Amino acid sequence: DAGITQSPRYKITETGRQVTLMCHQTWSHSYMFWYRQDLGHGLRLIYYSAAADITDKGEVPDGYVVSRSKTENFPLTLESATRSQTSVYFCASTAGGPEGNQPQHFGDGTRLSIL
Amino acid sequence: QQQVKQSPQSLIVQKGGISIINCAYENTAFDYFPWYQQFPGKGPALLIAIRPDVSEKKEGRFTISFNKSAKQFSLHIMDSQPGDSATYFCAASLRGAQKLVFGQGTRLTINP
Repeated sequence: DAGITQSPRYKITETGRQVTLMCHQTWSHSYMFWYRQDLGHGLRLIYYSAAADITDKGEVPDGYVVSRSKTENFPLTLESATRSQTSVYFCASTAGGPEGNQPQHFGDGTRLSIL
Repeated sequence: QQQVKQSPQSLIVQKGGISIINCAYENTAFDYFPWYQQFPGKGPALLIAIRPDVSEKKEGRFTISFNKSAKQFSLHIMDSQPGDSATYFCAASLRGAQKLVFGQGTRLTINP
């Protein structure tokens, strides 16, 4: 199916464990993003990528690691999960290009609970 | 640092009424102001967007009003319907940039 998919949709883990959230898009969009959504904070950018092998920090990158070896995939890893990382995580992608400001297309999110 | 402030956090409107959500920004270099709509269990989706060279943009029942001197913009939903019940986010970005800075979100409930 075309679009952007996130997996898993729900995840429960314990503090100190490593967890990886997956994001896959079928549009061959250049740009991909990871956000976390928390009540009262809206959507905050964790990391983003302008192309394969190019990543950069967003507003709240601490405790997270990303990679982008293929254009279509952009996994997010919590190396040692903490309770403060309990959140809903959204992946998004956009085509980018010289006109800029293209719509971002979001996945349906991963609800992560860290006990 | 929160660069886009959104209010109110929650809003209840009667069916047929006008819903108004406000946002204020700090960075005068921002050049693109989209609004996203999010239904429960789903990711946000672009609703409508405006650039600062116009003061208003209308798409159906949805209107963005933009006040460059006050560094404020707002979303108006005319003839609000129960199906409009969702969380709305304003956002801003620099010209040509792909990164967005989001407001805190507004949970809108339209009572039938």
